[in-house]
Amino acid sequence: RKEVEQDPGPFNVPEGATVAFNCTYSNSASQSFFWYRQDCRKEPKLLMSVYSSGNEDGRFTAQLNRASQYISLLIRDSKLSDSATYLCVVNIIPSGYGGSQGNLIFGKGTKLSVKP
Amino acid sequence: DAGVIQSPRHEVTEMGQEVTLRCKPISGHNSLFWYRQTMMRGLELLIYFNNNVPIDDSGMPEDRFSAKMPNASFSTLKIQPSEPRDSAVYFCASSLRGDSPLHFGNGTRLTVT
Repeated sequence: RKEVEQDPGPFNVPEGATVAFNCTYSNSASQSFFWYRQDCRKEPKLLMSVYSSGNEDGRFTAQLNRASQYISLLIRDSKLSDSATYLCVVNIIPSGYGGSQGNLIFGKGTKLSVKP
Repeated sequence: DAGVIQSPRHEVTEMGQEVTLRCKPISGHNSLFWYRQTMMRGLELLIYFNNNVPIDDSGMPEDRFSAKMPNASFSTLKIQPSEPRDSAVYFCASSLRGDSPLHFGNGTRLTVT
């Protein structure tokens, strides 16, 4: 099983639609989770951190399910400007390493295209 | 505050040449990461430093790749000799600590012919 897996998409949705992405991770010791957004030929930028209790930022909602080892991102009322690739990031603790810091591993990303 | 600064933005070189990529992290950040991105493999973590010390370099493809962080404000990634399959975008990122959100530089687009 890959460390961090995402559906590559593409997701093609009309403006105003609600779209959800999932991301599964393999390391049960992981403690930090993020969603990043990457526009074509640009660097990834932090969209939001994912907290255990779930969190919301405007039209974006992130959820964490530790039991099933996945995180999700929900985008409501999608806009043309939401078109991008969405990357989930999980910190993977190297085996035998006792600290909480680890390697921040990216999924391959899910491409979203919002059409008029 | 300036973000993560990488240089050069673009590098075109011939197979066999040495390539050096440079990164200046955000001041005060004590973790620095080097990633490589290709269409096929996505973003791959190459190496990660904490307080200038390499923590995990298991992602470095082979001995042709080396990375250094001589001080808190500078890191280099060197490829010697370069090969066409090294062509990719190389990103440097820094964070306050190893599990904090990453801040990326603009990347270096490397083409090896």
